[in-house]
Amino acid sequence: EVQLVESGGDLIRPGGSLRLSCTASGFTVNNYYMSWVRQTPARGLECISILYSDGTNTYYADSVRGRFTISRDNSKNTLYLQMNSLRAEDTAVYYCTRLGAFDIWGQGTVVTVSS
Amino acid sequence: DIVMTQTPLSSPVTLGQPASISCRSSESLVNSDGNTYLSWLHQRPGQPPRLLIYKVSDRFSGVPDRFSGSGAGTDFTLKISRVEAEDVGVYFCMQSTQFPRTFGGGTKVEIK
Repeated sequence: EVQLVESGGDLIRPGGSLRLSCTASGFTVNNYYMSWVRQTPARGLECISILYSDGTNTYYADSVRGRFTISRDNSKNTLYLQMNSLRAEDTAVYYCTRLGAFDIWGQGTVVTVSS
Repeated sequence: DIVMTQTPLSSPVTLGQPASISCRSSESLVNSDGNTYLSWLHQRPGQPPRLLIYKVSDRFSGVPDRFSGSGAGTDFTLKISRVEAEDVGVYFCMQSTQFPRTFGGGTKVEIK
């Protein structure tokens, strides 16, 4: 069964760092474009980062560029999102998705940035 | 980025009656490969979005046939032929023709 499981969400203070993980099963992450999508009541659903299947090319939304880094570990079949300099507005549910003709979504992990 | 606009924001419906949601994109969603990558997602409270429809009208595995999608270019519609209680929640359209994926603001379907 194709599945994505996110982890790493937490309560973190502003300015702090956090790394989210997304472990895939049923397929190999390095064969697909993978992304992180976040959801907030105010901004709705927002694609914040994409990792191309070549493992090198990336996309970042303006809101996270320079602070977040997407990467993968092929040996662990896992996608990551390193989040630095976190702000209150980064508070959201973060979803990992596999991109394709139809997208596969994980269950999400909650990040709360608050003092 | 392509802007996706959904209407209405809220749709109170009677059980067993039809419902319809519209989605408009700021530019054509026809891809260079000839396909139109417009999807519909359904989200219940506390749950992740679940894919219903992709490529305008293809139902994802396990999706009941009371859900149907239509449209072309920049205008798209999701129809529920007879609303059931489990259909409540928020529906989103999403374009995947162009990076990054962008989403409509959502339409809340609730039972009258």
